[in-house]
Amino acid sequence: AQKITQTQPGMFVQEKEAVTLDCTYDTSDQSYGLFWYKQPSSGEMIFLIYQGSYDEQNATEGRYSLNFQKARKSANLVISASQLGDSAMYFCAMREETDSWGKLQFGAGTQVVVTP
Amino acid sequence: DGGITQSPKYLFRKEGQNVTLSCEQNLNHDAMYWYRQDPGQGLRLIYYSQIVNDFQKGDIAEGYSVSREKKESFPLTVTSAQKNPTAFYLCASSIQASGSRDTQYFGPGTRLTVL
Repeated sequence: AQKITQTQPGMFVQEKEAVTLDCTYDTSDQSYGLFWYKQPSSGEMIFLIYQGSYDEQNATEGRYSLNFQKARKSANLVISASQLGDSAMYFCAMREETDSWGKLQFGAGTQVVVTP
Repeated sequence: DGGITQSPKYLFRKEGQNVTLSCEQNLNHDAMYWYRQDPGQGLRLIYYSQIVNDFQKGDIAEGYSVSREKKESFPLTVTSAQKNPTAFYLCASSIQASGSRDTQYFGPGTRLTVL
């Protein structure tokens, strides 16, 4: 069963606007971590932001913030004041405490295109 | 600069040949991972290693092999037994393998094409 679901395959956003990327997850673990990565066309996966399941506050890192709704099992990424350099693929991922491998489970990604 | 390097960036292989992808990290991380990415998809785990001289199969290990003789290095061999090896390969590392909090950091990737 798919553990991470990203329902938006692609979206356009205008420069300086905010954009929200959806992510829902499925786990029976009490302790887990949620991660967002950015993958530009060069291919490298760039870590953006982390949210722990026990963190009471939503995570923020510069222009990135995470809208964490635990009861709904959603962890949406908000990018404020979009820039042309934000054009990339964005992946949501989860790491479960009971997974001794430390495996990251990825969603299919959302392609974001920022237009002038 | 601390980070993860992968080489080569692009690799072409004839069918029936084995090929080795390099991954080196100078972050002093214990755990290292290999992922495979196919077009339009997320990443899938091939192999992981928690410590030197130890490694475990991930979800799609068939047709691949690894070694971990040094903490800094985790090379991946794509063997001729791998049915569909054309893909983008990403290496990652984290401080340790266990725990939900540790962030995995990725290298720039190797794009393998089988001709």
